[in-house]
Amino acid sequence: ETGVTQTPRHLVMGMTNKKSLKCEQHLGHNAMYWYKQSAKKPLELMFVYSLEERVENNSVPSRFSPECPNSSHLFLHLHTLQPEDSALYLCASSRTGTKTDTQYFGPGTRLTVL
Amino acid sequence: AQTVTQSQPEMSVQEAETVTLSCTYDTSESDYYLFWYKQPPSRQMILVIRQEAYKQQNATENRFSVNFQKAAKSFSLKISDSQLGDAAMYFCAYTGANSKLTFGKGITLSVRP
Repeated sequence: ETGVTQTPRHLVMGMTNKKSLKCEQHLGHNAMYWYKQSAKKPLELMFVYSLEERVENNSVPSRFSPECPNSSHLFLHLHTLQPEDSALYLCASSRTGTKTDTQYFGPGTRLTVL
Repeated sequence: AQTVTQSQPEMSVQEAETVTLSCTYDTSESDYYLFWYKQPPSRQMILVIRQEAYKQQNATENRFSVNFQKAAKSFSLKISDSQLGDAAMYFCAYTGANSKLTFGKGITLSVRP
């Protein structure tokens, strides 16, 4: 599957670092999503963008800052993270962002915060 | 709020046999969509099958089929002729009026050769 790509695949950072996760979709979709996947927990929706407008911020701490410059790209800027933020971060896209859509996922970025 | 429950954390199946993964959900809505996603060790989440709640016919995709019981709010996935490549984590998911995808905790399926 190459419809949704994410870079980097692995990231190790200290609590004082600033880093960014990148997601790109090649499917012509208009909605993009960030999810957090922690061990033994269901996927948690973090942010939703539809037509480059943020339509959902699921009570995510401000140390996570999303950016959607166009409908094909989505970033997640990270700063002053905590060890409990270590997780797999998944990006997804869908055609319109409505309930009839199927979401297509990227391979994820495995983040470790030291 | 909608919830999705996958009560079995792990299952194992012999290659070529059939296995059924359970999922229940709770909702007050009548129009919604249900999904099964597969996440292999490579971690890319892949759609296996989807079901529209307004359709009575159970969805099928090759070796994968669902048993959708709307009144019981049950949505199980049956994998026939299991293959080694079916080993993965499987997630049941729901989306309704708010268009948010709500996932269960997942089940790890192993396939014995």
